[in-house]
Amino acid sequence: NAGVTQTPKFRVLKTGQSMTLLCAQDMNHEYMYWYRQDPGMGLRLIHYSVGEGTTAKGEVPDGYNVSRLKKQNFLLGLESAAPSQTSVYFCAGGRRGTDTQYFGPGTRLTVL
Amino acid sequence: AQSVTQPDIHITVSEGASLELRCNYSYGATPYLFWYVQSPGQGLQLLLKYFSGDTLVQGIKGFEAEFKRSQSSFNLRKPSVHWSDAAEYFCAVAFLPYTGGFKTIFGAGTRLFVKA
Repeated sequence: NAGVTQTPKFRVLKTGQSMTLLCAQDMNHEYMYWYRQDPGMGLRLIHYSVGEGTTAKGEVPDGYNVSRLKKQNFLLGLESAAPSQTSVYFCAGGRRGTDTQYFGPGTRLTVL
Repeated sequence: AQSVTQPDIHITVSEGASLELRCNYSYGATPYLFWYVQSPGQGLQLLLKYFSGDTLVQGIKGFEAEFKRSQSSFNLRKPSVHWSDAAEYFCAVAFLPYTGGFKTIFGAGTRLFVKA
């Protein structure tokens, strides 16, 4: 099993550009999450999903959109990137009934 | 409001010395408690978790943590640190808000440096 994977690993964008981050999991997790990690702030939840076709806002959802068309994939979109979105983004999956989370390796995004 | 505090931004210990990383939480009931470790350039890996029962929890890599309800703490310990333990450690709490489904809050992290 690959576990939780993220694509791409690194990306540099210019302000105003758009992009999509892909998270894929082969662990049959019902729950999936997108976090951003910034120095001194731990991880902050952007959006999450409790099942295929459902999404919900987390702590810092502004400027991001998500979709979960298939159970194994959770996409994070930036429609118009801003320098404040420079961060490391982590995807995680988890099983229903427990909140132990399994993390992907992260995507480092820089917005110039 | 619920919160997680890791008072130490970074800690330096000598290899072979003991380690204790502090974590305090604010929540009205007993939450689910976790410690994760993040090596440089990697994602987070679960070290251990506490849901109920014995308040001393054993994890991977020789780590343990003790839940103290009276102090709202869940401190992580290791009796003898190895150089490979140098990483960032995150305490997290999860709970069921009224809207349903778990919500997880992470502390800001403690970076551990190990000196020879």
